[in-house]
Amino acid sequence: QQKVQQSPESLTVSEGAMASLNCTFSDRSSDNFRWYRQHSGKGLEVLVSIFSDGEKEEGSFTAHLNRASLHVFLHIREPQPSDSALYLCAVSIGTNAYKVIFGKGTHLHVLP
Amino acid sequence: EAAVTQSPRSKVAVTGGKVTLSCHQTNNHDYMYWYRQDTGHGLRLIHYSYVADSTEKGDIPDGYKASRPSQENFSLILELASLSQTAVYFCASSAGTVSNERLFFGHGTKLSVL
Repeated sequence: QQKVQQSPESLTVSEGAMASLNCTFSDRSSDNFRWYRQHSGKGLEVLVSIFSDGEKEEGSFTAHLNRASLHVFLHIREPQPSDSALYLCAVSIGTNAYKVIFGKGTHLHVLP
Repeated sequence: EAAVTQSPRSKVAVTGGKVTLSCHQTNNHDYMYWYRQDTGHGLRLIHYSYVADSTEKGDIPDGYKASRPSQENFSLILELASLSQTAVYFCASSAGTVSNERLFFGHGTKLSVL
């Protein structure tokens, strides 16, 4: 059973300082990774998708995948207070068309 | 912009009562999902559907039924609501399988069972 764990549970950074979030998965055959953001009381919005080792940038969000070490990171460049939210990692495997496993999330707080 | 609309936004139900959560999407997506979000558990899949008039069990289907009467509409039914079903419920849709496509989420329904 795929396990997806995120760290830290909570992260506080100052406005403009880089924020780095970590997601660890257990199944090396995983091949589809997405980071979602959830503002309080809202639904989830996708930030960046990555499917192969290396980096993928979408605006101020960069995902970094290293399947050998079972890690996928999210780096947020120059975060603003409006980026304060719950960030969720989602992992799926191409052979299972309907299964995506979410981590429990990292609460990011960006101080002005 | 793709849209997934859930109703109601919040609901208080009594134990043993029947609850129906509704979801409507204008994305023209074939795939729809119901997830439950609880503190400490993250998002878990309850039911999903990839075609109208057909539903499939997800990871935690016990105590829930689903209905997909049309491509646009997907409902989650709690026939006998229980305290343990207090949670936030999210509906989502996707253009294809989740292994290939991103999910589009609704704003969620906060359900409190008393």
